[in-house]
Amino acid sequence: NAGVTQTPKFQVLKTGQSMTLQCAQDMNHEYMSWYRQDPGMGLRLIHYSVGAGITDQGEVPNGYNVSRSTTEDFPLRLLSAAPSQTSVYFCASWGRGEQYFGPGTRLTVT
Amino acid sequence: AQSVAQPEDQVNVAEGNPLTVKCTYSVSGNPYLFWYVQYPNRGLQFLLKYITGDNLVKGSYGFEAEFNKSQTSFHLKKPSALVSDSALYFCAVWTSGAGSYQLTFGKGTKLSVIP
Repeated sequence: NAGVTQTPKFQVLKTGQSMTLQCAQDMNHEYMSWYRQDPGMGLRLIHYSVGAGITDQGEVPNGYNVSRSTTEDFPLRLLSAAPSQTSVYFCASWGRGEQYFGPGTRLTVT
Repeated sequence: AQSVAQPEDQVNVAEGNPLTVKCTYSVSGNPYLFWYVQYPNRGLQFLLKYITGDNLVKGSYGFEAEFNKSQTSFHLKKPSALVSDSALYFCAVWTSGAGSYQLTFGKGTKLSVIP
């Protein structure tokens, strides 16, 4: 199993640009989530999904959209990038009583 | 709302000495508690969890954690620290119910093990 994969690893955007961070898992987990990690803030939940077609907001959802058309994929869309969205983004899936994390995407918005 | 507190931003310990990284939580109902470790420029790795049962939980790399319900704490411990244990450690609590499911993290504690 590849586990949880994320692309790209690094991305630089200009303010106002949009992009999609990709996340996929091959463990057939129903629950998936997106976090952002900022220094001194820990990980904060952006959005999550409990299954295909079902998504919900986490702690910091503004400026981000998600969709879940399949069990495997859970992309995160930045609609109009802002410097405040400079962060490291982690995708995760939940199964067998624990959460599995992807390697992260480091995003810089200039 | 659930919350997790890690009161120490940084913990320094000499190699070979015991280490403790503190975590307290606030949650309604029974908590599902976790510890994760993050090495520089890497994702989070699962260390251990408490769901139910024995209050002392053993995990990866020789780490253990003690669940204390009366003190609402879940401190991470290791009897003898290694330099390779130097990393960022996160405590987290999982809650579910009323249509909401999430893992809430503490802000992290940087552990430095000094040779």
